[in-house]
Amino acid sequence: GENVEQHPSTLSVQEGDSAVIKCTYSDSASNYFPWYKQELGKRPQLIIDIRSNVGEKKDQRIAVTLNKTAKHFSLHITETQPEDSAVYFCAARGANFGNEKLTFGTGTRLTIIP
Amino acid sequence: NAGVTQTPKFRVLKTGQSMTLLCAQDMNHEYMYWYRQDPGMGLRLIHYSVGEGTTAKGEVPDGYNVSRLKKQNFLLGLESAAPSQTSVYFCASSYIGYGGTQHFGDGTRLSIL
Repeated sequence: GENVEQHPSTLSVQEGDSAVIKCTYSDSASNYFPWYKQELGKRPQLIIDIRSNVGEKKDQRIAVTLNKTAKHFSLHITETQPEDSAVYFCAARGANFGNEKLTFGTGTRLTIIP
Repeated sequence: NAGVTQTPKFRVLKTGQSMTLLCAQDMNHEYMYWYRQDPGMGLRLIHYSVGEGTTAKGEVPDGYNVSRLKKQNFLLGLESAAPSQTSVYFCASSYIGYGGTQHFGDGTRLSIL
């Protein structure tokens, strides 16, 4: 099955600086890669996603890049703000129809230092 | 539009007791999922369903059963609770097909003493 590794497990950055979280996946057939943000005590919420036919996607201060050859994808947050502090999860999904399962990374706790 | 609703939000059980967690979605999603979340281990899939009347095992199915009798509901059962099942349980749902985003409920915090 799919295996997703996420690094680092914790990350602290100064407010206004950039943060980068990286994930690798094992199944070359995976075709969908979402990123979720989970604030303390709350549900995971989708913040951005990318499909395998796209190399990069941006949404304001957030961007995701995908390298299919190397089987890794990254989340980039620029101009970080205190409200960006949360746990971020990457995930990957295989391409088999009817087998719509996401495999999640173990999460990165991001702390923004004011 | 409530999205995905989980009940109860908190529960404390004694070892050996049984209980059922209920997940309801009002988005007409075909797919539904049950995850458990433990510190440092991310979200692990317990069971999932690709449609009414269907269920399938995920990554950590042992000790759990599920049922999807109605499209909008997905039940997770613990027949004989064990301390190792202490966790936060999340339900999610998504549309069928390529790129279906999973929408999560608020979670159920379950403690087994």
